[in-house]
Amino acid sequence: DIQMTQSPSTLSASVEDGVTITCRASQNVGNSLAWYQQKPGKAPRLLIYKASGLETGVPSRFSGSGSGTEFTLTISTLQPDDFATYYCQQYSLYSSFGGGTKVE
Amino acid sequence: HVQLQESGPGLVQPSETLSLTCTVSGGSIKNYYWNWIRQSPGKGLEWIGHVSDSGSTTYSPSVESRVTISVDTSNNQFSLRVTSLTAADTAVYFCARGGIVEGDKRFDFWGQGTLVTVSS
Repeated sequence: DIQMTQSPSTLSASVEDGVTITCRASQNVGNSLAWYQQKPGKAPRLLIYKASGLETGVPSRFSGSGSGTEFTLTISTLQPDDFATYYCQQYSLYSSFGGGTKVE
Repeated sequence: HVQLQESGPGLVQPSETLSLTCTVSGGSIKNYYWNWIRQSPGKGLEWIGHVSDSGSTTYSPSVESRVTISVDTSNNQFSLRVTSLTAADTAVYFCARGGIVEGDKRFDFWGQGTLVTVSS
C-alpha cells in the first residue's frame, strides 16, 4: 500500500489568511494526486486533480503543486466557506487517502 | 448532471453480510471506474475498491478477503458486499465515480453517503 501523510492535522487560520497543507506519499505517485474538501455530514468535493488541475467550478484561490512524493494544497485567501477538512488522495497504485487536515 | 445514490440497511448484525447498492443517474455507467469508500465515525477516508463497466475489479488489500464489488450496467447500478462484519466496519459508506484514464482517475462525483452500524 502507498501511505499518504498530511500535515498539519489541524490548522488554525482566519479569514483572508493564506493557507498551505502538505501531503507526502510513501513512494513515487507521479502526478496522480487529488485534493478534496469535506464538510461535516457531507460527501467529499473534488478540488484539484493531477496534482495541479483545478476542477471545474472550484474557485481560483485553490491551487495544487508538487510531484513524486511531495504535494501541497494552497488557499490563497481563506474565505468563510473554506473552513472544512481537506484530504489528499493518490490514485497511482490502487487508491489511498491522507489522514486529513482540519482548517478551523 | 451525474448523481449517485447509495441504498441499503442502516443496521447489520455482527458476523453477517452487508449489501449496498449505488444507483447512477444523469450519465452512463460506461467508461468509468465505480468506487466504494468508507469513513468510520470521526475518522478519515478509506478506499475499499472499484469495478469497471466490464466487471473488472480491484480491491484494497486491507479488505480484499471480505469484499465483492459488482456492476449491473442494464440498471446503471453497482454494488458492494462485505462479509463477516464486526463493529470496526461501522462507517458511512460512499460511492463515487472515478476516471479510467491512466494518470487521471479523479473521483469527481460522489453519493451523499449512507451510515451503516454493525451492532446486535
